[in-house]
Amino acid sequence: GESVGLHLPTLSVQEGDNSIINCAYSNSASDYFIWYKQESGKGPQFIIDIRSNMDKRQGQRVTVLLNKTVKHLSLQIAATQPGDSAVYFCAENIRYNSGGSNYKLTFGKGTLLTVNP
Amino acid sequence: DADVTQTPRNRITKTGKRIMLECSQTKGHDRMYWYRQDPGLGLRLIYYSFDVKDINKGEISDGYSVSRQAQAKFSLSLESAIPNQTALYFCATSATGNSEKLFFGSGTQLSVL
Repeated sequence: GESVGLHLPTLSVQEGDNSIINCAYSNSASDYFIWYKQESGKGPQFIIDIRSNMDKRQGQRVTVLLNKTVKHLSLQIAATQPGDSAVYFCAENIRYNSGGSNYKLTFGKGTLLTVNP
Repeated sequence: DADVTQTPRNRITKTGKRIMLECSQTKGHDRMYWYRQDPGLGLRLIYYSFDVKDINKGEISDGYSVSRQAQAKFSLSLESAIPNQTALYFCATSATGNSEKLFFGSGTQLSVL
């Protein structure tokens, strides 16, 4: 089954509220995690990443939290705006060639975020 | 984002036809990928290439083939299209050393009747 999954397939928030999108992963060997945003009719776009030696990383209005103990990843969006409406994917990188450049990037199924005005 | 360009944007074809989807990039990246997206299934890797002479199967390569004609070009072929290959196809690129950070094209919606 999916080693990367999402707790909620859909999330609806009011404009101005904070959004939290969750993701679970099962492989303790994963060392790198990424969030992508996909707007309707477009390809996914990189939002933010985090390495497994970090617990938190902040970007512009976004924060990613990593809890390795429970294998959980979350994306927090502050002051959510209508332009944030999209599908959000988490992805994990499982390195199977130590020191090499091979990898297997696995995407979750996505969460649809809808921002209500 | 025109850095990764996919053609065509939409294609309708019949079962048994040979189809080629094309991808070109101006990002100067060595690595290129083809993904397939189906509702509720997320993105699944079909093939990937780390340089011009390198081709690797992804998790769902059956029924597909690829050609890396140049650093900037990576095409995906369906030799004999079938209806369950109806999906949204994405090409992506990444830089060596930062290969998890993918840059995607706008996608090709393929419908096989």
